[in-house]
Formats: sequence, structure tokens, C-alpha cells
Amino acid sequence: GAVVSQHPSWVICKSGTSVKIECRSLDFQATTMFWYRQFPKQSLMLMATSNEGSKATYEQGVEKDKFLINHASLTLSTLTVTSAHPEDSSFYICSGSLNTEAFFGQGTRLTVV
Amino acid sequence: QQQVKQSPQSLIVQKGGIPIINCAYENTAFDYFPWYQQFPGKGPALLIAIRPDVSEKKEGRFTISFNKSAKQFSLHIMDSQPGDSATYFCAARFGNEKLTFGTGTRLTIIP
Repeated sequence: GAVVSQHPSWVICKSGTSVKIECRSLDFQATTMFWYRQFPKQSLMLMATSNEGSKATYEQGVEKDKFLINHASLTLSTLTVTSAHPEDSSFYICSGSLNTEAFFGQGTRLTVV
Repeated sequence: QQQVKQSPQSLIVQKGGIPIINCAYENTAFDYFPWYQQFPGKGPALLIAIRPDVSEKKEGRFTISFNKSAKQFSLHIMDSQPGDSATYFCAARFGNEKLTFGTGTRLTIIP
């Protein structure tokens, strides 16, 4: 299957700082990438749909000014958590679509202290 | 209705047994039904997927059964092994729209 690489795999940051998470499709071009958040023992919750060269589409209840998404190329999308707070601590996962199949990154564990 | 209902929430099966995880959906426009396997601290990995024009698909020890009229699909794992212990998510999708995930099943295979 296709490979989606996510970086970093874990990050600890101080409250009030910003954190950037990268999502790369290594062997295919992804015109659309998706960003998810997952709390312990729960399913994936879609945060936003990222389209190359255009603004991301955010799900209801997700603050677009807090979770900045950039999809500057067909192989790279970034999620920036701005002014992070402890409640933003979570597991963030991206995915890219190839044909109709979705391939996921390995996830990023964000801990805000 | 975009919901996908998944059951059971957790499942314990002895090695060699056949765990079965079930999902039901409402939206008849869904045309792609994947199953994902997720280990702790990792992203989900595509396991197997089916489209509504077939009733069953096998890949290795994993089988999807699909019942279009009942709007249900299930995952069967043959000859289950302790290494299959993970959380399994069903999902459904229409075209290139977003995936709608089930709530997940935590599977434990005991030796």
C-alpha cells in the first residue's frame, strides 16, 4: 500500500506555544489529506479536510484559527496547533487518499504541559 | 444519516478462534467499506476493504462479509493469533468523501 509519513511521532510543548505536525505522502500524490484527532480508547474524529492549493474545510466545532492547516504541495500537508493548551493534548493522525483508499500516518502524540 | 454502528466494543477470543466484528450503516450511498487495524500508539492500517457489488472478500486470514439489503458488514479473522490483538475500526465512504468510522472494537486474543 501507499505510505504516509507523519512527523514528529511525539512532541511535548509548553502551554502557549505552537506546534507544527507534518504529513507527507511518500510514494503518491494526495490532492486531499485528512486530519484526525483521537482520544484514548475512542474512534478517530475528523478535524478537517485539506485540499492542495486551497483552504481547508473544517468540521463543526473545530477552531480553524487554532488548528491551522496548510496543504502547499501534493505531497505535504501541515497542521499547526497554535497557542497550545493542555486540553489540546491528544493523538493527531493524518491520512492521504490514493484512488479511493485512505492511508494513514503513524500519528503524533502531542502533550502540552 | 452518516453513522456507522460497530459492535462489540471489546472481544476476547482464544487463539485459533474466529473473532467476528459487526458494523451497520444507514447511508445507502456508501460505496466503499474498509476495515482498519490499529495498534497502541500507531496510526490505523488498512486491513481489507469491500465494495457493495460483492458479498464476500478474503485476504489471507481476514474475510469481509457484506449484506447490502441489511446494510451490514462484518470482519472475520480466521485462526486468530495473539499478534492480532489490536483495535479494529470499520468505516464507510461515498466516492472521495470523508470516511465515517465505527466506534472501534478492542480485540484480545489469548494464548
